Amino acid sequence: GAVVSQHPSWVICKSGTSVKIECRSLDFQATTMFWYRQFPKQSLMLMATSNEGSKATYEQGVEKDKFLINHASLTLSTLTVTSAHPEDSSFYICVPSGGRYEQYFGPGTRLTVT
Amino acid sequence: GESVGLHLPTLSVQEGDNSIINCAYSNSASDYFIWYKQESGKGPQFIIDIRSNMDKRQGQRVTVLLNKTVKHLSLQIAATQPGDSAVYFCAEKWAAGNKLTFGGGTRVLVKP
Repeated sequence: GAVVSQHPSWVICKSGTSVKIECRSLDFQATTMFWYRQFPKQSLMLMATSNEGSKATYEQGVEKDKFLINHASLTLSTLTVTSAHPEDSSFYICVPSGGRYEQYFGPGTRLTVT
Repeated sequence: GESVGLHLPTLSVQEGDNSIINCAYSNSASDYFIWYKQESGKGPQFIIDIRSNMDKRQGQRVTVLLNKTVKHLSLQIAATQPGDSAVYFCAEKWAAGNKLTFGGGTRVLVKP
């Protein structure tokens, strides 16, 4: 399977601060990046889709000004949670895609906002 | 909207027995299905996939069955082991590079 890394693996921040999560595809070029969010004991929900070099497309109900996605290269995408609030506490997972059917998930980032 | 759903939220299995996890999907345009395993605190791990032109695919100790007539997908785990305890998700997509839509998940608990 593909090698995907995320950093940090977990982060605790104070309400009102911003947090940046990095996702790297280590062994292939990700033309598309999917960002998912997973609340405890729930399924994965797609937040946004980004294509390298272009603006992300956000799913309904996801605030694009709050969750900033940058996909500047084929191996790196970042998700910035701006002005984080406790309800943003979740497990954030990236899924780089090279346009093929198979999709391999990153290890995830656990965000806790206090 | 179109969705993928699961019949059983929790499945308790005796170690050594076979497990069967079921999933229903409603999008007839879906042509690719994946089963993922997720352990606590980790990202989903790819288990096995199947395309819509197939009705069965086997891996190591796992088999996926696809019934397009009734839009049903199942994952069979042979000789379930304690390490199989996790949450299992089915997911669907309808084009290469397209997004995945996930079902609600089934927790498998393996009893020693």
